[in-house]
Amino acid sequence: QQPVQSPQAVILREGEDAVINCSSSKALYSVHWYRQKHGEAPVFLMILLKGGEQKGHEKISASFNEKKQQSSLYLTASQLSYSGTYFCGTEIYRKIIFGKGTRLHILP
Amino acid sequence: SAVISQKPSRDICQRGTSLTIQCQVDSQVTMMFWYRQQPGQSLTLIATANQGSEATYESGFVIDKFPISRPNLTFSTLTVSNMSPEDSSIYLCTVVEMNTEAFFGQGTRLTVV
Repeated sequence: QQPVQSPQAVILREGEDAVINCSSSKALYSVHWYRQKHGEAPVFLMILLKGGEQKGHEKISASFNEKKQQSSLYLTASQLSYSGTYFCGTEIYRKIIFGKGTRLHILP
Repeated sequence: SAVISQKPSRDICQRGTSLTIQCQVDSQVTMMFWYRQQPGQSLTLIATANQGSEATYESGFVIDKFPISRPNLTFSTLTVSNMSPEDSSIYLCTVVEMNTEAFFGQGTRLTVV
């Protein structure tokens, strides 16, 4: 079952904040977050595991509500380099199903 | 971490032909995954390549169209058979280890004409 991401697209000015949400109808083992720029492979941002463990880049924060089967990615003080498409992925036994993505565009 | 070498990086193929994409990992991994990304779309899982057994295909994907080989723990191939323009996509080889990130190959950009 594909996770549902919202919003589909966001336009921000540099320095503004954004939240991207991801929800699943199935119980989650872990949630992944990736950013992809045009023509490139996805880049790892964060993984959130059951039990509260998180691994990822220092400047990225995210939450994982296991009961609600939801995760949110928090982008603060956005920079131009944050532009791209953000994908959440729900993992079960190493198989990752990705959401449709959220397109983020940062204006100078 | 894992470093994945995928080739070819791109190809333009005639409809009705087949293309085999190779994926080499620099370490032994249990499971390898093949994804397709159509233009402007998300990553869609095609199949799981298991060493020593047949690949496991996701709904909508069949072995006759996308045969997969996994001869050892570091290598896999995906063949796109009897291609049509609808097969024009980026194909990504991926490795996921327990409790860690997914590692992607650089992708194969396929155009079918």
